[in-house]
Amino acid sequence: DVKVTQSSRYLVKRTGEKVFLECVQDMDHENMFWYRQDPGLGLRLIYFSYDVKMKEKGDIPEGYSVSREKKERFSLILESASTNQTSMYLCASRRVLGEKLFFGSGTQLSVL
Amino acid sequence: QKEVEQNSGPLSVPEGAIASLNCTYSDRGSQSFFWYRQYSGKSPELIMSIYSNGDKEDGRFTAQLNKASQYVSLLIRDSQPSDSATYLCAVNLSGGSYIPTFGRGTSLIVHP
Repeated sequence: DVKVTQSSRYLVKRTGEKVFLECVQDMDHENMFWYRQDPGLGLRLIYFSYDVKMKEKGDIPEGYSVSREKKERFSLILESASTNQTSMYLCASRRVLGEKLFFGSGTQLSVL
Repeated sequence: QKEVEQNSGPLSVPEGAIASLNCTYSDRGSQSFFWYRQYSGKSPELIMSIYSNGDKEDGRFTAQLNKASQYVSLLIRDSQPSDSATYLCAVNLSGGSYIPTFGRGTSLIVHP
């Protein structure tokens, strides 16, 4: 089975901190995604990567950046955390374009 | 903005009944459609995928796709309390990257 692992299940940070969320997949998938999920708003795409060192902005990239130096790892960076970035962050991967997503277990981030 | 629309619910059905979940999408060029189930506090998991017009059945689940009318639906037969969850409709948008875009989800409650 495909495994998508997110480094932390719960994270508490202070306003202004730089925050790193890590995601690793073990099935050589080409595409990786970062979504955030908020009550009533569903899953919204922050960034995605279709290959190593390649990235595209999603619907809500402001305040975030990403890094994909190796195929298996996709990192989400909050340059200066703000309270409105308190959310559930979900990483996902898929083998190739058009196929289904495999999700990690999520990171609930609280910014105080 | 290419959109995926779902009724947020909750949809409440008695045990043993058929639950019908609907989704409409705005991108006429979309080719891949998915239903994910998400239990409270968990990450989404794939229930069904469908790529061509018509019905696709898998056990108690049937996905229906009508590209001309731009809707996709999920039927759950013999609903069980364990089916109580949020169901997310996802559409891979056209335009090269096939970005998965999600509806806000429909909450299903199956009562004994």
